[in-house]
Amino acid sequence: GQNIDQPTEMTATEGAIVQINCTYQTSGFNGLFWYQQHAGEAPTFLSYNVLDGLEEKGRFSSFLSRSKGYSYLLLKELQMKDSASYLCAVRAFQSGGYNKLIFGAGTRLAVHP
Amino acid sequence: DADVTQTPRNRITKTGKRIMLECSQTKGHDRMYWYRQDPGLGLRLIYYSFDVKDINKGEISDGYSVSRQAQAKFSLSLESAIPNQTALYFCATSNSGREADTQYFGPGTRLTVL
Repeated sequence: GQNIDQPTEMTATEGAIVQINCTYQTSGFNGLFWYQQHAGEAPTFLSYNVLDGLEEKGRFSSFLSRSKGYSYLLLKELQMKDSASYLCAVRAFQSGGYNKLIFGAGTRLAVHP
Repeated sequence: DADVTQTPRNRITKTGKRIMLECSQTKGHDRMYWYRQDPGLGLRLIYYSFDVKDINKGEISDGYSVSRQAQAKFSLSLESAIPNQTALYFCATSNSGREADTQYFGPGTRLTVL
């Protein structure tokens, strides 16, 4: 089967660092995405990993270990506007040539002053 | 201007009514998708289209139909709405040849079926 697990909720303090973990079990793994979604708004693309290692983009970094079926999103220098849900999504190759995107339920992050 | 637009943004309707949600994009992407989002669940794929002549069912297509009128337009229909179709609906687009086929989402349509 295909399964993605991430914590339901996390809290952190403004200015701190937070790590949001994602574990997955999928066949045909073909990349992992992180999206940010503010309440009632569209998910917006944050990062993409297909090879093992760390991808850094400003205050956000994303890590992937394909052998462990594990990824994390690291947010540094937290700001109040970072309060949002963070969605882990795994792309899995399907028969017929289609890459399906499978979403986790999301981690709701609350940043406090 | 937004690259992916959805209309309407909010809709309240009654059980049994036919509803159409529309999506338009100016990104020039070839692929388009319809998802629904329910509290506590991940985004779930309803239908997807790789080009105008290609329509495919996603994991939860029952009760829904779609039409790809042009490369830039992809509409979702609920032939006879029922209360458990109350959800937030998102359209998304991607470019098969670039950006790792990253999907970009519209602003969403909040649908309530009474």
